[in-house]
Amino acid sequence: KAGVTQTPRYLIKTRGQQVTLSCSPISGHRSVSWYQQTPGQGLQFLFEYFSETQRNKGNFPGRFSGRQFSNSRSEMNVSTLELGDSALYLCASSLEPGVSPNYGYTFGSGTRLTVV
Amino acid sequence: QQQVKQSPQSLIVQKGGISIINCAYENTAFDYFPWYQQFPGKGPALLIAIRPDVSEKKEGRFTISFNKSAKQFSLHIMDSQPGDSATYFCAAILTGGADGLTFGKGTHLIIQP
Repeated sequence: KAGVTQTPRYLIKTRGQQVTLSCSPISGHRSVSWYQQTPGQGLQFLFEYFSETQRNKGNFPGRFSGRQFSNSRSEMNVSTLELGDSALYLCASSLEPGVSPNYGYTFGSGTRLTVV
Repeated sequence: QQQVKQSPQSLIVQKGGISIINCAYENTAFDYFPWYQQFPGKGPALLIAIRPDVSEKKEGRFTISFNKSAKQFSLHIMDSQPGDSATYFCAAILTGGADGLTFGKGTHLIIQP
């Protein structure tokens, strides 16, 4: 059974550019969540998508956006990149939205974004 | 502000010893508390989880202890092995909500052979 696939694994971008990251969830999983991981702030919730709709967004500026397609695949976009956006971006899929004793996240291995 | 505070930041334990990681939360609405294990180059993976109506949960060598009145919970790894060397994150969530997991800052655990 294939896991959560994130592409690309590594990315180097210049300040001011924009970037799009992709996430393919586990087959049958309908919810996709995105997290940012940095040494200073740890793991922070970005947003969650279910049935092509954003359920909620964490405390991130409008430069961070995402979308989900009808096949549950998701993309996140960061515009006007800043040095502080350098991070590991993790995607997690689950059968239903959120996390509960009945179902939980499966995380991908992440996309390492470096902004120079 | 929703926060989960985790300690220690790093921990070194001898093989066969007990590793203990502690977390404290603020938001009493949280109703599910998972622990994740992360190896370098990989995403976090669910290790064990607990609901606040249970004071302890054990799965193999891993045990969660939960103190609802103190708003604290901890992970105990018994008979720690070198393969347990990883970063561990506690987390909390309001199930049914839409805010995602709130994570602790992580504990880098090293098990010395």
